[in-house]
Amino acid sequence: AQSVAQPEDQVNVAEGNPLTVKCTYSVSGNPYLFWYVQYPNRGLQFLLKYITGDNLVKGSYGFEAEFNKSQTSFHLKKPSALVSDSALYFCAVRDLNYGGSQGNLIFGKGTKLSVKP
Amino acid sequence: SAVISQKPSRDICQRGTSLTIQCQVDSQVTMMFWYRQQPGQSLTLIATANQGSEATYESGFVIDKFPISRPNLTFSTLTVSNMSPEDSSIYLCSVGETQYFGPGTRLLVL
Repeated sequence: AQSVAQPEDQVNVAEGNPLTVKCTYSVSGNPYLFWYVQYPNRGLQFLLKYITGDNLVKGSYGFEAEFNKSQTSFHLKKPSALVSDSALYFCAVRDLNYGGSQGNLIFGKGTKLSVKP
Repeated sequence: SAVISQKPSRDICQRGTSLTIQCQVDSQVTMMFWYRQQPGQSLTLIATANQGSEATYESGFVIDKFPISRPNLTFSTLTVSNMSPEDSSIYLCSVGETQYFGPGTRLLVL
């Protein structure tokens, strides 16, 4: 079965410090991996995705994520956190064995990131 | 990236009534997805809507409760029928390989 795990309900970081939001996945085929951010009372905004190629993916707002096949992980990172990064972050996976490149996403439960000044 | 709009952005409805949510995309797309986000929860796929065919519903969701229309490649509607307070959620449509999301429709059922 396909699944995504975000083991931390909340991550607290001081402004200027590096941040990591963890994500692991389980799929039967090759994965497409995504990160989205949701600000309060807003929809989901796409941050970045991994489809193939370089394991380090760079995305919007200075975020990046590293695909690690052996650990089935896709952790979101940023070298220096901003207070404005405080939001809810969702990791998602698409299993290419189900619906191919146009199939639906399976979402993690979300991690609340809180960046304090 | 696709630009997606949804109407209404929010609504407060009475128990037993129905609400139709519209999703409009600025480009033609093959597949559109409807998700539900219950309060404090993650997103759950309701159904996949392909133009010209019946929508495909996920386990736990049925057509009688969530009828979907997909009249063309840029538009879809989701109806939440015979609503109860448990239907209070954010309903989002998404499109594309990257799955860009609309702004969502916040529904409160009293």
